[in-house]
Amino acid sequence: GAVVSQHPSWVICKSGTSVKIECRSLDFQATTMFWYRQFPKQSLMLMATSNEGSKATYEQGVEKDKFLINHASLTLSTLTVTSAHPEDSSFYICSARDLDRGVTEAFFGQGTRLTVV
Amino acid sequence: GQNIDQPTEMTATEGAIVQINCTYQTSGFNGLFWYQQHAGEAPTFLSYNVLDGLEEKGRFSSFLSRSKGYSYLLLKELQMKDSASYLCAVQDSNYQLIWGAGTKLIIKP
Repeated sequence: GAVVSQHPSWVICKSGTSVKIECRSLDFQATTMFWYRQFPKQSLMLMATSNEGSKATYEQGVEKDKFLINHASLTLSTLTVTSAHPEDSSFYICSARDLDRGVTEAFFGQGTRLTVV
Repeated sequence: GQNIDQPTEMTATEGAIVQINCTYQTSGFNGLFWYQQHAGEAPTFLSYNVLDGLEEKGRFSSFLSRSKGYSYLLLKELQMKDSASYLCAVQDSNYQLIWGAGTKLIIKP
C-alpha cells in the first residue's frame, strides 16, 4: 500500500511555544489530506481537510488561527499548533487520499504524540 | 445527522471467532471501510465494501447490507495480536469519511 510519513512521532514542548507536524505522501500524489486528533480511548476527530494549493476547511469548533494547516504541494501538508497549551496535548494523525483516482482508502501517517508541559 | 454505531468493547478467546457490528445513518453512501488500530499507533486499512455481500480476506471478512445500513467485521482464528480497536468508517456523498467511535477488542488466552 501507499506510504504516508508523519514527523515527528512524538514531541514535548513548553506551554506557549509552537509545534509543526509534517505529513508526506511518499509514493503517490495526495490531492486531499486530513488532520485528526485522538484523545485516549476515543475515536478519530477530524480537525480539518486540506486540498493542495487551497485553504484548509476546518471542522466546527476547531480554531483555524491556532491550528495552522498548509498544503503547499501534492506530497506535503503541515499542521502547526501555535501557542500550545497543556490541553492541546493529544495524538495527532494525518491521512492522505488521492480522490482524483476515485474512491480510495485513506492512508495514515504514524501519528504524532504531542505533550505540552 | 450522520451517525455510526459500534459496540464500545468486546472480549473473545484466542482461537475463536468474533463479529464486530457497525450500523450507520449517513447523507449518502460511497462505501464502508474497516480499520485496525493498535494502542498508540495509527489506523491501518483492513477492508472496503461498496456492494452488498461478504468480502473475505484471509482470517478477516467484512459484510455489507446497504438496505439495512449495516456492516460487520468477522475475525476468525483469533490471535493475541488481534487485540486492538476496530474502526468502522462510512464514506458519504461528498467522499468524506465519517468515523465510528471504534470497538476495543480484548483477546483472552
